[in-house]
Amino acid sequence: DTGVSQNPRHKITKRGQNVTFRCDPISEHNRLYWYRQTLGQGPEFLTYFQNEAQLEKSRLLSDRFSAERPKGSFSTLEIQRTEQGDSAMYLCASSYRDRGIDEQYFGPGTRLTVT
Amino acid sequence: AQSVAQPEDQVNVAEGNPLTVKCTYSVSGNPYLFWYVQYPNRGLQFLLKYITGDNLVKGSYGFEAEFNKSQTSFHLKKPSALVSDSALYFCAVRDMMDSSYKLIFGSGTRLLVRP
Repeated sequence: DTGVSQNPRHKITKRGQNVTFRCDPISEHNRLYWYRQTLGQGPEFLTYFQNEAQLEKSRLLSDRFSAERPKGSFSTLEIQRTEQGDSAMYLCASSYRDRGIDEQYFGPGTRLTVT
Repeated sequence: AQSVAQPEDQVNVAEGNPLTVKCTYSVSGNPYLFWYVQYPNRGLQFLLKYITGDNLVKGSYGFEAEFNKSQTSFHLKKPSALVSDSALYFCAVRDMMDSSYKLIFGSGTRLLVRP
């Protein structure tokens, strides 16, 4: 399967712990996005990379959140000092700008449960 | 501010009947519009997009959508529903003037197709 992959698929952690998620985009895609989806809602934008540069961060991304994309390949999203309100599905998407407007391809997500 | 509204939490339709899933949007500039489908335990799958040109856009699995600028709508349609179409559908918009490429999603509409 050459789609977007995310690991782990599920993560249960205790409040106050740090967690890190990984996203591997489609290999030729230069853009990578993180979204968060809570139950009954659509995905909400968190941050966006073009190659290795993080070009935009949502106000949803508090100081406890940090994302990286070293060498413009895979990306990691770290949440420090997790809170119960961080419980959600974290989605990664990637796209490639060639001609026209690029649609985003999504991974299966990492479901985080903070107890 | 950009926003998407999906006024129906759930749409019920009998197999073989036509279906419509409604979406309206609000953007500052011209919109790029997308439909995604989400099956349980899977990521969002791209169905179709409207960028410019013909108001009727055809996509995957026999789905199509009609862009109506005056009504700021982008309703998803299919002439004959299948039980396998039962899933969660999300409409999304990107403002042409937004350089971040982020998608703004609606809250989703659950489609149930009964045999």
